[in-house]
Amino acid sequence: RKEVEQDPGPFNVPEGATVAFNCTYSNSASQSFFWYRQDCRKEPKLLMSVYSSGNEDGRFTAQLNRASQYISLLIRDSKLSDSATYLCAAHNDYKLSFGAGTTVTVRA
Amino acid sequence: EPEVTQTPSHQVTQMGQEVILRCVPISNHLYFYWYRQILGQKVEFLVSFYNNEISEKSEIFDDQFSVERPDGSNFTLKIRSTKLEDSAMYFCASKNAFATNEKLFFGSGTQLSVL
Repeated sequence: RKEVEQDPGPFNVPEGATVAFNCTYSNSASQSFFWYRQDCRKEPKLLMSVYSSGNEDGRFTAQLNRASQYISLLIRDSKLSDSATYLCAAHNDYKLSFGAGTTVTVRA
Repeated sequence: EPEVTQTPSHQVTQMGQEVILRCVPISNHLYFYWYRQILGQKVEFLVSFYNNEISEKSEIFDDQFSVERPDGSNFTLKIRSTKLEDSAMYFCASKNAFATNEKLFFGSGTQLSVL
């Protein structure tokens, strides 16, 4: 079973829309969770950490549900510049494991 | 913001040749990682390294792979005898502390093409 699974999308949304997607993780011992953004052929860049209480950073809201072992990301008021692949990541012990990514395309 | 530096940005090699991918982690960081991403696939963990030892390695990291911190600044990944399927983008990463919520900084990657 994959450590981290994501809906690959693509999510194709108009500017200004809200888009949300989830990620599940299999290792209940995972300690920390993150959302990264990856643009084509570039390195992953940290978007935000995810906390149990849920956290918000501007237009981005992340939630962690430990009981169901999933995390979510919601993007409000989508911008063209939000078009990217969003990687979910779970950290346990000595490594950070990534999902395969969810592709979001924001159209004008 | 401090950066992880990787060289070269592109490497082309013949099958069976040895390659060394180089990384300069952020200067006060203690934990180092290599990841790879085959075109169209996910970012895969290869190995983590701390205190001059491998902390954890994945199934991908077989005997053909090795890592080294030859001096106080460089962190290298060596592939002894490259195969076609080693073609991928290789990312180096580092972080300052063991805490799992500590941010991992990624380099911009080395695109390895094995012909």
